[in-house]
Amino acid sequence: QVQLAESGGGVVQPGGSLRLSCAPSGLILSNYGFHWVRQVPGKGLESVAFIRRDGNSKHYPDSVKGRFIISRDISKNTLYLQMNSLRGEDTAIYYCVKGAADNGAFDIWGHGIMVTVSS
Amino acid sequence: QSVVTQPPSASGTPGQRVTISCSGSSSNIGSNFVYWYQQLPGTAPKLLVYRDNQRPSGAPDRFSGSKSGTSASLAIRGLRSEDEADYYCATWDDSLSNWVFGGGTKLTVL
Repeated sequence: QVQLAESGGGVVQPGGSLRLSCAPSGLILSNYGFHWVRQVPGKGLESVAFIRRDGNSKHYPDSVKGRFIISRDISKNTLYLQMNSLRGEDTAIYYCVKGAADNGAFDIWGHGIMVTVSS
Repeated sequence: QSVVTQPPSASGTPGQRVTISCSGSSSNIGSNFVYWYQQLPGTAPKLLVYRDNQRPSGAPDRFSGSKSGTSASLAIRGLRSEDEADYYCATWDDSLSNWVFGGGTKLTVL
């Protein structure tokens, strides 16, 4: 059974950086596209990063473009989200999500990890 | 403001049939598959419908998806108390070159 385990969340000051990790079990990371999706508690879902199966195509919304970087380490079978220049509005639960095999659509979700940007 | 629109709330009584709409445009719903997710309180979202109208294994057949033009719908028949949750639609947007979610619909079972 596929499971996704996020780590690296916590409290960071505005302007600071944080790196989230996602280690899937039960699958090979490089065989699928992956997403990071965030949710402000009590609010809706926002896709903040998507890496295609090829590992080269990456997509970001304007809200995080230039500040967030999605990457993967195939040797460690681990997905990352490097978050820089963090702002208060980045405070949210961040989910690691496996992409569907055919087109990368949101498939299996991790439990999520909280990131709080506050001084 | 999402490019894909859902009603913020919906409600029904046990046993009823409820539908939740998801409205977009030719650059998203009109040309790409729609996916539906159920988020129970305090949990991560879970895939409910994929490729407009397909159910993954484990998803109850009381849930069904449909699409026409630039709009999609999620129908729930035989409503149960355990269906009380937030429901989100999602699709790819060709103009944004990114995945987008609807704003979510909170379903209340009266």
